Amino acid sequence: NAGVTQTPKFRVLKTGQSMTLLCAQDMNHEYMYWYRQDPGMGLRLIHYSVGEGTTAKGEVPDGYNVSRLKKQNFLLGLESAAPSQTSVYFCASSYGVRMSLLNTGELFFGEGSRLTVL
Amino acid sequence: GQQLNQSPQSMFIQEGEDVSMNCTSSSIFNTWLWYKQDPGEGPVLLIALYKAGELTSNGRLTAQFGITRKDSFLNISASIPSDVGIYFCAGQLFYGGSQGNLIFGKGTKLSVKP
Repeated sequence: NAGVTQTPKFRVLKTGQSMTLLCAQDMNHEYMYWYRQDPGMGLRLIHYSVGEGTTAKGEVPDGYNVSRLKKQNFLLGLESAAPSQTSVYFCASSYGVRMSLLNTGELFFGEGSRLTVL
Repeated sequence: GQQLNQSPQSMFIQEGEDVSMNCTSSSIFNTWLWYKQDPGEGPVLLIALYKAGELTSNGRLTAQFGITRKDSFLNISASIPSDVGIYFCAGQLFYGGSQGNLIFGKGTKLSVKP
């Protein structure tokens, strides 16, 4: 009963390095999201996907790229990491369609990936 | 873009106290959600509200969807130590058969009084 799984959980990068965060969900959800969480800023949407092969920009997309080659996976890439990208990153998924009153656009979150850029 | 104002930003609780927090928006939503985040974890849904005026409970938690569709509040009765964490409100607008993105408040951090 994994739900949403993020890897890695922790990572330290030097400025200019690249890396990819992987998100996997086993709930057959259509929608997937990447958020970043910073102290006092709440959760801000970076990019999202409404289905396999599609991606869209969120509130703070600059410096990030994403890909959704398979329905169950959503990758977040940093091509050239900057200290301003030090944050905790959360992946989430949802059905995307309100099936009934018992099913919302509720997001199911992963446990987070803590990234530090030196 | 849309913004949610969540208050208070932080509060200290003593076991047994009741707690209240709220969110207001400049625009309407047709769904309000309340999440809780424990340290080192991702947010988890507590309560979902779908209709203006709706009052919904989940154990000691009670949440209401404001009549104007621009606000919501969450009450926690008789708080216990495990209530500490960060509480987020989130608003969502459904249109057609699809969902709009969730807009999150900045969170209310509950801590235990020293």
